[in-house]
Amino acid sequence: DVKVTQSSRYLVKRTGEKVFLECVQDMDHENMFWYRQDPGLGLRLIYFSYDVKMKEKGDIPEGYSVSREKKERFSLILESASTNQTSMYLCASRGMVGNQPQHFGDGTRLSIL
Amino acid sequence: AQSVTQPDIHITVSEGASLELRCNYSYGATPYLFWYVQSPGQGLQLLLKYFSGDTLVQGIKGFEAEFKRSQSSFNLRKPSVHWSDAAEYFCALSLRGYQKVTFGIGTKLQVIP
Repeated sequence: DVKVTQSSRYLVKRTGEKVFLECVQDMDHENMFWYRQDPGLGLRLIYFSYDVKMKEKGDIPEGYSVSREKKERFSLILESASTNQTSMYLCASRGMVGNQPQHFGDGTRLSIL
Repeated sequence: AQSVTQPDIHITVSEGASLELRCNYSYGATPYLFWYVQSPGQGLQLLLKYFSGDTLVQGIKGFEAEFKRSQSSFNLRKPSVHWSDAAEYFCALSLRGYQKVTFGIGTKLQVIP
């Protein structure tokens, strides 16, 4: 069974801090994704990566960056956290074949004070 | 650009009643279609998927969905709802040859005794 593990379930940080959210998958998937989930807005794609060191902007990349140095690990970075980045963050992975579904982690609920 | 519409944000059903959650998509060709469920505080779990062939798809937890090309719809159904089905449900699509997945905004299901 595919396992996607997000390093923290809950995280509280202060405005202006640099924040790292980590995600690890164990199925050798080429594609990894970061979403944020807000009530009434569904899931919005921040960034995704289709290979090591490769990334592509999603729908809302502003204020975020990502890093993928190893195939199994995909990090989301908030360069200077702001209160409007308080949200639920979900990581997902997916194999290369197009008809495969995404597999999700349990999410990180991030609060910026 | 492709899109997914879930017209019902909240639905309330009685335990034991039947359920149908609506999903419409906008895309010129037939995409890959998915239904996910999210229990409170959890990530998304795949219920079922449609790629081609038989338009009635069976999933986990007793759910099924029917693809109707003429209506650009992929509605989720369950004949008898259980209290444990209370959750948020997301319809999603991906295009053949692309890795991004587009989600609807979700339908929150409440089950009353």
